[in-house]
Amino acid sequence: GESVGLHLPTLSVQEGDNSIINCAYSNSASDYFIWYKQESGKGPQFIIDIRSNMDKRQGQRVTVLLNKTVKHLSLQIAATQPGDSAVYFCAEKKLGNEKLTFGTGTRLTIIP
Amino acid sequence: SAVISQKPSRDICQRGTSLTIQCQVDSQVTMMFWYRQQPGQSLTLIATANQGSEATYESGFVIDKFPISRPNLTFSTLTVSNMSPEDSSIYLCSVEGQWTGASTDTQYFGPGTRLTVL
Repeated sequence: GESVGLHLPTLSVQEGDNSIINCAYSNSASDYFIWYKQESGKGPQFIIDIRSNMDKRQGQRVTVLLNKTVKHLSLQIAATQPGDSAVYFCAEKKLGNEKLTFGTGTRLTIIP
Repeated sequence: SAVISQKPSRDICQRGTSLTIQCQVDSQVTMMFWYRQQPGQSLTLIATANQGSEATYESGFVIDKFPISRPNLTFSTLTVSNMSPEDSSIYLCSVEGQWTGASTDTQYFGPGTRLTVL
């Protein structure tokens, strides 16, 4: 069936450096791609999303890039801070369907 | 935004027993979702619950094992029945809403219920 997967399960980044978290997806019919952040003991929280007709979207310290040719999604976090340590999930959604399909998740650790 | 609370936040249960998890939302919502997150893994949708109708279950999940109630537009319960150690997971409820800065409606999540079955 369709799936959304991630390349790397763990990522360690020096505080202040930029981090890039990657995600591969297989459902080319998805309309939106969403990044969630899950801190320990909490539910996932929305970070940023991107519509399928865009290739880049920027937020505060975060940028999402979408490459439809290779079905690849990435989340870039600039100037990482200790509070960025969490598990990051990509998810995809199709308009008219409220369900989300989640990727595997990447654990990001910020090294002080 | 939506504020979602879950009870209990965690529990340790004996195999063969059942646990009912409550999910309360601070606003009226049409759809509520229940997810399972096994240790170190991603979220898997169990079912979608609409008020006034039976829940719709995803492949691999059945009503006898995970009965759901949705008595009104702000509340839902998920019961994990006849538990085994394999049911040890975090169970999360969510509702659809509009996050600030989001392009489309997406889901808000509760804090989760961490269940350990011995």
